[in-house]
Amino acid sequence: NAGVMQNPRHLVRRRGQEARLRCSPMKGHSHVYWYRQLPEEGLKFMVYLQKENIIDESGMPKERFSAEFPKEGPSILRIQQVVRGDSAAYFCASSPPAGSQNEQFFGPGTRLTVL
Amino acid sequence: GQNIDQPTEMTATEGAIVQINCTYQTSGFNGLFWYQQHAGEAPTFLSYNVLDGLEEKGRFSSFLSRSKGYSYLLLKELQMKDSASYLCAVRPPGNNRKLIWGLGTSLAVNP
Repeated sequence: NAGVMQNPRHLVRRRGQEARLRCSPMKGHSHVYWYRQLPEEGLKFMVYLQKENIIDESGMPKERFSAEFPKEGPSILRIQQVVRGDSAAYFCASSPPAGSQNEQFFGPGTRLTVL
Repeated sequence: GQNIDQPTEMTATEGAIVQINCTYQTSGFNGLFWYQQHAGEAPTFLSYNVLDGLEEKGRFSSFLSRSKGYSYLLLKELQMKDSASYLCAVRPPGNNRKLIWGLGTSLAVNP
């Protein structure tokens, strides 16, 4: 059973370009979470999605950032018109649909560098 | 509001025991998680507490006191590979499964 997969692992963009980060959850997992981590800082919640639905996007900047988790295919975190401050590691995690513990399993992350 | 506090750094000696504390002030509570994160890698799950008391899992144990808003992670028989950041996270009440994270405690294990 493959773990959470993210691609690309490293992404370099120039200011003003778009960044698209992909996340494939573990098999059987229908809940996906995106977190951002700056160097020497903790994880910051961005968005929580179930298939085709955004459950909580309270951590997403209001502009330039969007996320989706379509019925088929991976979850996508999209950052338009990137700025240097967007440089960070972006982690995706997934959890199964049922159960009380619902630990989140993390992907390896995408390290975004904005030049 | 939500606030989670952990010490920034700790140092311990190989073979020793170390306790990493986490205090939280959150508007509601539905479980506390500990994760381990090595530099440049993804966080990996260590433990989950939702009721008061101690949960033991091999060399690692986690304790929770809901009335005090307090948890600790206990690492026994420290090994060099335990050098990592240890992240405390709280899940808000209800059906929202997102996690709110502390800044993490960077543990250095010395020979």
